[in-house]
Amino acid sequence: AQTVTQSQPEMSVQEAETVTLSCTYDTSESDYYLFWYKQPPSRQMILVIRQEAYKQQNATENRFSVNFQKAAKSFSLKISDSQLGDAAMYFCAYRSAEDSSYKLIFGSGTRLLVRP
Amino acid sequence: DADVTQTPRNRITKTGKRIMLECSQTKGHDRMYWYRQDPGLGLRLIYYSFDVKDINKGEISDGYSVSRQAQAKFSLSLESAIPNQTALYFCATSDSRTGRTGNTIYFGEGSWLTVV
Repeated sequence: AQTVTQSQPEMSVQEAETVTLSCTYDTSESDYYLFWYKQPPSRQMILVIRQEAYKQQNATENRFSVNFQKAAKSFSLKISDSQLGDAAMYFCAYRSAEDSSYKLIFGSGTRLLVRP
Repeated sequence: DADVTQTPRNRITKTGKRIMLECSQTKGHDRMYWYRQDPGLGLRLIYYSFDVKDINKGEISDGYSVSRQAQAKFSLSLESAIPNQTALYFCATSDSRTGRTGNTIYFGEGSWLTVV
């Protein structure tokens, strides 16, 4: 069974600085997807970025980028120029490309605090 | 208006009562999911549905049942609520027809259920 681990329960960053959130996963599959979701105090789950395992290029979305290391099974999220609105829980998630259900397996989350 | 709507958003119920959480979507997606979020545990899958006639158990289905009344509607029931079912519940959807790049999972805004 696949597992996702987020070892940082909480991280803090100064506004305008850069922060990296860590995620590792365990799988025997070669084809899969990885995601970062943001959950602000409003509780909504918002997709931040996705990565397809067969693509070597790291995904980027504006100030958000990932460092995908397939051999190490590592998938970190870098937030550049941090803003107060980035404060939230961040969840890393895995989805098998071989499982037709598309179900997600989540890590336990990292709470990001942004200091003004 | 939200593409994935959950009702109620917040509910307090008593132990032993039957409670239903409803989900409707306007995205036209064929797959729908119910996830549960507990503090520190991320999200876990309760049930998922490929279409109206295909419903499957997730990792924590005990104590829950679901109904897919139409492609756009997927409800979750707790037949006899107990306090450890107090959690945040999310409905989600995805589309199997859009190929690899399109089948992202989209979440509703969550329903906070308290069982006293």
